[in-house]
Amino acid sequence: RKEVEQDPGPFNVPEGATVAFNCTYSNSASQSFFWYRQDCRKEPKLLMSVYSSGNEDGRFTAQLNRASQYISLLIRDSKLSDSATYLCVVTHQAGTALIFGKGTTLSVSS
Amino acid sequence: NAGVTQTPKFQVLKTGQSMTLQCAQDMNHNSMYWYRQDPGMGLRLIYYSASEGTTDKGEVPNGYNVSRLNKREFSLRLESAAPSQTSVYFCASSDTTRETQYFGPGTRLLVL
Repeated sequence: RKEVEQDPGPFNVPEGATVAFNCTYSNSASQSFFWYRQDCRKEPKLLMSVYSSGNEDGRFTAQLNRASQYISLLIRDSKLSDSATYLCVVTHQAGTALIFGKGTTLSVSS
Repeated sequence: NAGVTQTPKFQVLKTGQSMTLQCAQDMNHNSMYWYRQDPGMGLRLIYYSASEGTTDKGEVPNGYNVSRLNKREFSLRLESAAPSQTSVYFCASSDTTRETQYFGPGTRLLVL
């Protein structure tokens, strides 16, 4: 079983839709959690960190449930520019390697 | 500010050939990483270097060697390329205290 599991996708939604991605991780020692975004044929880029109290960045909301070892990302009012692959990422400690999920592809259409 | 740079962008090799992928960062980061990305597999860590002078194996190190030349540069070498090493290779760096990893644009490698 892979350490980080994500919804397989793809998600195809119209502009303005709300979409949620889920992710589970298997190692309870995981300390830090992130969502990265990867555009087609580009490098991954940090979208947002995920904190236990939940955090919001504009139209994006991330939640962490340590007891269930579950991470989520909610995108409200989807834009065409949100089309990308979203990667759920965990680390065990600062400065060590990121452990990636396989990613979920989002396609937003007009 | 260039961030993380990688060379070359594309490369075609024949089985058995060798090559070195170069990576450099100008953010004064301590940690540097090499990942490969394959369809259906996600990104997997090959090697990483927590600080200048140290390197450690990641999830898929076989067939690769690395050199942390100085704080800025971290190279990945394929001594005898195999078709299974056809992939997209990403270098990344991070400040150990801030965790966020910054990725280079990638090297697309095809081994025939």
